Amino acid sequence: GNSVTQMEGPVTLSEEAFLTINCTYTATGYPSLFWYVQYPGEGLQLLLKATKADDKGSNKGFEATYRKETTSFHLEKGSVQVSDSAVYFCALSQVEGVRFGAGTRLTVKP
Amino acid sequence: GAGVSQSPSNKVTEKGKDVELRCDPISGHTALYWYRQSLGQGLEFLIYFQGNSAPDKSGLPSDRFSAERTGGSVSTLTIQRTQQEDSAVYLCASSLAARVRETQYFGPGTRLLVL
Repeated sequence: GNSVTQMEGPVTLSEEAFLTINCTYTATGYPSLFWYVQYPGEGLQLLLKATKADDKGSNKGFEATYRKETTSFHLEKGSVQVSDSAVYFCALSQVEGVRFGAGTRLTVKP
Repeated sequence: GAGVSQSPSNKVTEKGKDVELRCDPISGHTALYWYRQSLGQGLEFLIYFQGNSAPDKSGLPSDRFSAERTGGSVSTLTIQRTQQEDSAVYLCASSLAARVRETQYFGPGTRLLVL
């Protein structure tokens, strides 16, 4: 079946550091790929998405490229801020719902 | 426009009691999903509805869990004879349709604590 594997956390960075959270997937067919973010005390929010190979999703300075050849969708940001502290979930779409990775907790220190 | 809403936001109950959790999807969305987020289990799919079709119950953890969707809109997730391991955040999501490429939009969740 489909699955998502993402980098285990927690990840702690200083403000303005470069961020990469790795995500790889296994899927039949051609799912859409997502990054969701959950800020402390809040619900899940869609951060970005890509619907086909080589698409790049971007939002709030975050980017991820749908790489079919490596079955990856790594999340990157060039300069993180304290306000980026949250849990990040990589996910892929299925007809019967979204399959999520385990989540990576990011803490950004000033 | 209004997003997915869920009620109650928090629920504390005693072991053995029944609970009902409600989800109002985004207007016009025909697909509705329930997930559970718990420590150690991450985010797991429970059940989904597409319009008025019979739901896909493949993710329900036990027969104490059931869900219904009235009129193709509001959904209720019912947990009977609650157990402490049912404590979790229950998330509802909706999308335009149950298609592979559709984006799901999540509600704020109901935090359930079973004492």
